[in-house]
Amino acid sequence: QKEVEQNSGPLSVPEGAIASLNCTYSDRGSQSFFWYRQYSGKSPELIMSIYSNGDKEDGRFTAQLNKASQYVSLLIRDSQPSDSATYLCAVYRNAGGTSYGKLTFGQGTILTVHP
Amino acid sequence: DGGITQSPKYLFRKEGQNVTLSCEQNLNHDAMYWYRQDPGQGLRLIYYSQIVNDFQKGDIAEGYSVSREKKESFPLTVTSAQKNPTAFYLCASSIVKGSNQPQHFGDGTRLSIL
Repeated sequence: QKEVEQNSGPLSVPEGAIASLNCTYSDRGSQSFFWYRQYSGKSPELIMSIYSNGDKEDGRFTAQLNKASQYVSLLIRDSQPSDSATYLCAVYRNAGGTSYGKLTFGQGTILTVHP
Repeated sequence: DGGITQSPKYLFRKEGQNVTLSCEQNLNHDAMYWYRQDPGQGLRLIYYSQIVNDFQKGDIAEGYSVSREKKESFPLTVTSAQKNPTAFYLCASSIVKGSNQPQHFGDGTRLSIL
């Protein structure tokens, strides 16, 4: 089992729809969760961080975390063609104190928003 | 503006050659990281450093070396021992204290074999 798994894409949604991106992780000790957006040929850009169970909203983006079920999701409302990118889920487990833990990335889900 | 600067943007390596990728940050972050990304794959950690003059191997350190002589700089050398160096290399940094600090990335360096 991969440490961080994302739903296999590509995911295609029409403009204005809700895009739902899912991510599961295997380490129950994971504490911090991040979503990055990566446009083709560019570097990842942080779009959401979430640390506790529940929903966190930022504009058109909502991150949802359920630690009991070990999944984190990203919803994009009113999807726009400019949202077309690869979305990377990253999960961090702290090693304790100031020691570096481990940040593990999923393989990414390609999202295409068509007009 | 604060940020992470990687150079060059594109790099070509000849057989048997070592090449060095530059990464500089002016965010006053303690921790710096190097990742490798292959097409259609996620990021894999090569090396990381929490403080000056200290660094640790990541998951795929073989064939790579780093140094951390200054807080702002974390160069990566791809040695001739790395037999499959063609990839997109990403440098990142974060505030090390506390696990809830995300990593921010530079624009990357694309390395190819001549």
